[in-house]
Amino acid sequence: QVQLQESGPGLVKPSQTLSLTCTVSGGSISSGSYYWSWIRQPAGKGLEWIGRIYTSGSTNYNPSLKSRVTISVDTSKNQFSLKLSSVTAADTAVYYCARAPMNGDYFDYWGQGTLVTVSS
Amino acid sequence: QSVLTQPPSVSEAPRQRVTISCSGSSSNIGNNAVNWYQQLPGKAPKLLIYYDDLLPSGVSDRFSGSKSGTSASLAISGLQSEDEADYYCAAWDDRLNGPVFGGGTKLTVL
Repeated sequence: QVQLQESGPGLVKPSQTLSLTCTVSGGSISSGSYYWSWIRQPAGKGLEWIGRIYTSGSTNYNPSLKSRVTISVDTSKNQFSLKLSSVTAADTAVYYCARAPMNGDYFDYWGQGTLVTVSS
Repeated sequence: QSVLTQPPSVSEAPRQRVTISCSGSSSNIGNNAVNWYQQLPGKAPKLLIYYDDLLPSGVSDRFSGSKSGTSASLAISGLQSEDEADYYCAAWDDRLNGPVFGGGTKLTVL
C-alpha cells in the first residue's frame, strides 16, 4: 500500500520561502510509472494544483505560480520536494502531495496534508 | 474562481439519490477525462471516479459518473449519512497544461 507523508515547517514568514517534502513509502518513486504532484487548499476553499515532477526530473507548473515554484525529486530518499518563494498570506493553505499514473490525469494516492501558515 | 463550475451545496434525504454537476469547456472536460474526489471533513481528498465513469477498487457502486460534451455529473444513490462530504470534479486542461478542479460541492444528508 503506497503512502505519502508531507513534512516541513508549519509557519513561514512573509517574503520567505516555503519548503515541504513528501516521503513516499510502499513503493519506489523511481518506478517510472507515475507523476508526483503538489496540490494546495486554503481553508474553506477548493483545490489548486501547484505542479508535478517525473522521476527524470522533468516538471510542469501551474502558470499562476510558475515564477515562484520549484519541485525537485530525490530518488535515493524516495522523496520529492516543493519550494515556493516570496510567500504572502495568500499562500496559507493545507498542502498535499499526491501521485498520478503516467497514463492518467487522476490522483490515486494523497498525503494527509500539512497546514502551512504565512505570518510574521 | 475555479475553472470548473459546481454548485456550492446540495442536500437530500437518506436512501434517496442526488446528482452533482460539473461544467467546463472544450479545453478541459470537452477534451479530457473527468475525475471526482470525495473529501470527508478534515481529511485528504480521495479518488472516487476516474476516466469519467470508472470506480477505483473499494469504492461503493452507489457512486457513478457520467459526461456529456463539456459537462459531467456525479450521482450518489442510496444516500447514507457517511456520504456527507465535499465533492470535487477535476479534469486536465489543455490550455493550463495541468489539472483543474471545481470549487467543490458540499453534500448534506438531511
